[in-house]
Parts: sequence; structure tokens; C-alpha cells
Amino acid sequence: GEQVEQRPPHLSVREGDSAVIICTYTDPNSYYFFWYKQEPGAGLQLLMKVFSSTEINEGQGFTVLLNKKDKQLSLNLTAAHPGDSAVYFCAVTRNMGYKLTFGTGTSLLVDP
Amino acid sequence: NTKITQSPRYLILGRANKSLECEQHLGHNAMYWYKQSAEKPPELMFLYNLKQLIRNETVPSRFIPECPDSSKLLLHISAVDPEDSAVYFCASSPPGQGSNERLFFGHGTKLSVL
Repeated sequence: GEQVEQRPPHLSVREGDSAVIICTYTDPNSYYFFWYKQEPGAGLQLLMKVFSSTEINEGQGFTVLLNKKDKQLSLNLTAAHPGDSAVYFCAVTRNMGYKLTFGTGTSLLVDP
Repeated sequence: NTKITQSPRYLILGRANKSLECEQHLGHNAMYWYKQSAEKPPELMFLYNLKQLIRNETVPSRFIPECPDSSKLLLHISAVDPEDSAVYFCASSPPGQGSNERLFFGHGTKLSVL
């Protein structure tokens, strides 16, 4: 089945710096991709949903890149601030009725 | 997110039986139970759609889900095991958009098994 490797497991940056998290998946039939943010003691919150037809997706303060050739999905926080400190998970699925496979998570700490 | 409420918030058990409860006020048709062990991603346990059990992942038989109506979800646990210590998240998703289109998570129930 699908396997999703996420790196790095821990990331510490200073406020204003960029932070990059990368997921590598195995299933070439994966079509939907997600980034979730989990703050301490809370459930996951969807940051962005990406379809395989779109390679560059921009959100508020971050960019998601999809490289289908290398089967990689990345989250780039352009100017991190302390409120971005959380655990980030990518998730991958073939179609909307299929099971989500989550990455292993990245714990991001942004120092003020 | 106060639109999906879970109770209790914290639970400490010996080898006892207990039920976790979840209620969503979002009008969603699909509801999920996820288990998240320490420093691990969430793992799907059960998925209900319109009160019907759609997905039942490989879960010990001591976990029994129940969906009395489309806005409520229960997880009955009997004779807990130390490996059951984790945070159990309830989630829901809107109708008509597929089961993974937009997951809304509750705050979770942290289960600690003595």
C-alpha cells in the first residue's frame, strides 16, 4: 500500500525565516494531497488541499509544491512566525472515497 | 473547533469499560474515529456515512463503534490494554464532497491506561 515519508521530523527556525517540509509518497496513482496543521492539544486543521493537476498552490504565508515526477509534496512557510509552531502532517489519497495515508509528521518550532 | 465536541477530554482507566462520545453540529453525513499514538500520525479506525459503517480498519475487537444518528458517534472500549493509550479523535466531513474532501477534527480524548 501507499507509504508516505515525511522529513524532517523536527525543525527549528527563527521568526522570519523560511521553513520547508517535504513528503515523498510511493503510489503513482495518488491524486489528492493535503497538508494539515496540529497545534498542541488540538485536532488537525486543514491548511490546503492540492489536486495532482496543479503543481504550485499558494496559501496565506505558505506555498505548496507538487512534483509528480519525483512523487514529492512540499510545504514552504515563507516567513515563519511563532504562531506557526505546530506539528504538520501531509496526507495522500487516490480518490475521495479512499483511505488517507498520513505522513509521519514534522514538529516545527519558530523562535521569536 | 467547538462544532465537534468530544467527551470526556481526558480518561484514565485500569482494565475497565468506557465509552467515548462525539457530536458534530455541522450537518455532516460522514463521521470518523482516528487513533493517534504519541508522536505518530492519526490512524483511521472507523468511518460511518449516513449511520452506515463504511470502513472498519484492523482494530482490536474490544473497540466497538456505534452511530445512533448521523450527528453522533460513540466508541465503546472494553478491557483496555496499555497499547490503547493514545488520543482518540472524532472527525466529520461534509456531504456530497467525498469522504476526504474536508475533514473537521474534534479536540480529542486523551486515554491513559494504567
